[in-house]
Amino acid sequence: QVQLVQSGAEVKKPGSSVKVSCKASGGTFSRNAINWVRQAPGQGLEWMGGIIPIFGTANYAQKFQGRVTITADESTSTAYMELSSLRSEDTAVYYCARAGRAGSYFVSFDYWGQGTLVTVSS
Amino acid sequence: EIVLTQSPGTLSLSPGERATLSCRASQSVSSTYLAWYQQKPGQAPRLLIYGASSRATGIPDRFSGSGSGTDFTLTISRLEPEDFAVYYCQQYGSSPITFGQGTRLEIK
Repeated sequence: QVQLVQSGAEVKKPGSSVKVSCKASGGTFSRNAINWVRQAPGQGLEWMGGIIPIFGTANYAQKFQGRVTITADESTSTAYMELSSLRSEDTAVYYCARAGRAGSYFVSFDYWGQGTLVTVSS
Repeated sequence: EIVLTQSPGTLSLSPGERATLSCRASQSVSSTYLAWYQQKPGQAPRLLIYGASSRATGIPDRFSGSGSGTDFTLTISRLEPEDFAVYYCQQYGSSPITFGQGTRLEIK
């Protein structure tokens, strides 16, 4: 059974950065894309980007280009999402989600982490 | 970017009734790349349907998906109390991956 366990809630100041982790267990980590999706309070889902750990390079939504960095550590089966230059509009629950098939970004998301609330406030 | 528009925004039905949720895309989506998710309050989304019509593992057969091109539908044949939630469609055939704004299914 695949499990994705994310790091805990964060409170950040505007202009700072946050780094959220997502540790996978069960299944294969390296070949399935790990995606990051965020959800502002009371709002819908927004894809930020993803990474296939064995390839190492990430695919980002243009909206977040230059502000988000997604990485993965195969040795610990952990993916990371770092968002910089935080503003109040970045307050959201951030989810990691695994692609349901190996080797491609263009796959539905079959397993999700529990979510990490990031609050940006002065 | 492919924009997905879901309708209705809110659907009020009773247990035992049939629910029909719509997802319309701004440009054609290969049916291989259309999914539906269910989200309950305080929980992560759960994959229901992928490839427009394939049920994910463990999903009851009262959930079915159909459609092609720009028009897709999620049908719940007989609503159970646990089905009242928010439903999102997603296209994953082109970058950026996008989601619809959601349909809230509430108890009438």
